[in-house]
Amino acid sequence: EAQVTQNPRYLITVTGKKLTVTCSQNMNHEYMSWYRQDPGLGLRQIYYSMNVEVTDKGDVPEGYKVSRKEKRNFPLILESPSPNQTSLYFCASSPASHTDTQYFGPGTRLTVL
Amino acid sequence: GESVGLHLPTLSVQEGDNSIINCAYSNSASDYFIWYKQESGKGPQFIIDIRSNMDKRQGQRVTVLLNKTVKHLSLQIAATQPGDSAVYFCAEKSGGYQKVTFGIGTKLQVIP
Repeated sequence: EAQVTQNPRYLITVTGKKLTVTCSQNMNHEYMSWYRQDPGLGLRQIYYSMNVEVTDKGDVPEGYKVSRKEKRNFPLILESPSPNQTSLYFCASSPASHTDTQYFGPGTRLTVL
Repeated sequence: GESVGLHLPTLSVQEGDNSIINCAYSNSASDYFIWYKQESGKGPQFIIDIRSNMDKRQGQRVTVLLNKTVKHLSLQIAATQPGDSAVYFCAEKSGGYQKVTFGIGTKLQVIP
């Protein structure tokens, strides 16, 4: 089944404790992206990657890192999480063309205490 | 998720009626637009898209209208059903870039 998977689905952590949210897609998509979703603000793009080893900042990259060592995986790294990073996070992927629609993962709900 | 629907514009529609959800986009250079549906506890799901060289596109029970003059996008759902209850987002992309900008969303409530 073609899908985007994220792990974990739920995570409660404390300020400053490094964490990684994994994202994997099995559709051989070149483009992958991370979003956070907050009430009243909609989805905001954190980072995106147009291909392996190519990543770029979205609208809200501060406090996040990403890597794209393989085509299928695009982990989101929070080196020192803070409470303002409490949010619902979505990973998405799409084929290379910029007009292709994105397929979203199920989301990761992160709480930083 | 369940908290996504808080603080959103809400549209309440009687089952069987048509729904119209509106979106004002920000970038006059955007040339590709997408509507997504997000049900509670799930990620956004593609509904329909439209390129800037079109002003109307139809799918199954859905129609998207694009007015570039006033930077306005709308999603029309015919014969709205309870399963259409969700939050609907518009998104825009501009040529040559891979950034995607989403609207804040509209919550559609279908009254049985």
